[in-house]
Amino acid sequence: AQSVTQPDIHITVSEGASLELRCNYSYGATPYLFWYVQSPGQGLQLLLKYFSGDTLVQGIKGFEAEFKRSQSSFNLRKPSVHWSDAAEYFCAVGGSTGTASKLTFGTGTRLQVTL
Amino acid sequence: GAGVSQSPSNKVTEKGKDVELRCDPISGHTALYWYRQSLGQGLEFLIYFQGNSAPDKSGLPSDRFSAERTGGSVSTLTIQRTQQEDSAVYLCASRMGGGRNTEAFFGQGTRLTVV
Repeated sequence: AQSVTQPDIHITVSEGASLELRCNYSYGATPYLFWYVQSPGQGLQLLLKYFSGDTLVQGIKGFEAEFKRSQSSFNLRKPSVHWSDAAEYFCAVGGSTGTASKLTFGTGTRLQVTL
Repeated sequence: GAGVSQSPSNKVTEKGKDVELRCDPISGHTALYWYRQSLGQGLEFLIYFQGNSAPDKSGLPSDRFSAERTGGSVSTLTIQRTQQEDSAVYLCASRMGGGRNTEAFFGQGTRLTVV
């Protein structure tokens, strides 16, 4: 069964500081991996996705994530956090065909940004 | 429409009543998902439709929950004899389907409150 673990429930960083949100997954084949962001009262927006190829993927709003197969990880990073980045971040794993297309989400990491 | 549309946006119902939640996916998207997000929780998978295949109902929490998708487009999630623990935001997402470079697009959700 596929699963996602986001070990950090809540993270607080200062504006301008760097950020790394952890994501570990379990999947029986090459996974498709996603990071979504949910701002307060808003829907989920895709930040970035990994399907294949370069293991470092760039997303919107200055975010990037690195796929490490050996560690079953897909951590999200940003070099300098802005106050507007305060939100909940969800990592997800899925596949491309059949029942593997079910997208499984982690429990999320809530990011607080202090000024 | 341009995005995934869910209705109603808010629903307050009395315990024991039945409710129907509607999802209009993006035109042409063959995959449709329902998730539940309880306060402070992650996204709990409920059910997944892919084209004409039998839906993956493995996430439905009880037989009070059911969903259908008519004509491969609009989906309705029905909760019978609602309980207070059913209170949550119900999110619908659609996806182009099998293949590469397909991410899920989410609606704004239906906030269900059972009183």
